[in-house]
Amino acid sequence: EPEVTQTPSHQVTQMGQEVILRCVPISNHLYFYWYRQILGQKVEFLVSFYNNEISEKSEIFDDQFSVERPDGSNFTLKIRSTKLEDSAMYFCAIRRASLTDTQYFGPGTRLTVL
Amino acid sequence: EDQVTQSPEALRLQEGESSSLNCSYTVSGLRGLFWYRQDPGKGPEFLFTLYSAGEEKEKERLKATLTKKESFLHITAPKPEDSATYLCAVQATSGTYKYIFGTGTRLKVLA
Repeated sequence: EPEVTQTPSHQVTQMGQEVILRCVPISNHLYFYWYRQILGQKVEFLVSFYNNEISEKSEIFDDQFSVERPDGSNFTLKIRSTKLEDSAMYFCAIRRASLTDTQYFGPGTRLTVL
Repeated sequence: EDQVTQSPEALRLQEGESSSLNCSYTVSGLRGLFWYRQDPGKGPEFLFTLYSAGEEKEKERLKATLTKKESFLHITAPKPEDSATYLCAVQATSGTYKYIFGTGTRLKVLA
C-alpha cells in the first residue's frame, strides 16, 4: 500500500503554460516535500512544507513555483509559466511525524514542456 | 557545503556475484543516511536508515553499513530482480530534514 499517490502520472504542456501537480497522502501526514529529477541527473530538493506553510526552499524554487494544501488533504505544486528546463520527474514525499526521519516517495509526475 | 558522492556510477554483475556500492558524504551534522532503490520511471523506494557510525541494517540480500565518512550497500548473491538504481541520501541535523541525494549507482545483474 503506497503512502502517497501523485496525479497526473504524465503531463505534457506548452512552454509558458501553468501546470499543477498533485500529491495525495494515504493517511494524515504533517511534513511534505517536493523533489525533482531531470532525466539522468540526481534527485534535487525543491521545498518542504509543514503546518500549512513553507519551511524551507532551495534555490531552484523561485517565484514561478508555489505550493499549497488547498483542502487539508491534497498537496499541490504549481509552476506558473513553464520553461523547457522544467521538464523532469517531480516527486512528492511525506514524513509521518516528528518521531521519524524517513521520507516516503510517491510514484512521480513526468512533466514534459514543449 | 553538504555533498554526497556515489560510486561506481554503474555496475554489472553476474547473478550470484557479490559486490558493494559506496556512498561518501560530507555534511555539517549527520542526522541520518538513507538508502533507496529506484526503478526506471518510478519513485525512490525506501530500503534503510542509518544514524550512527558502526550501525548495520540488513534486508534479504542487502546489508547497509555506516562509518563517519561513508556508507556501503553490500549485495550478496544478487539476482536479476535486484537490477535498479540505488540512491543514497543524507539528512543534516539543521533545517527541515530535507534529503541531499547522490547521483546513484545503476546496478545490472545478469542471469
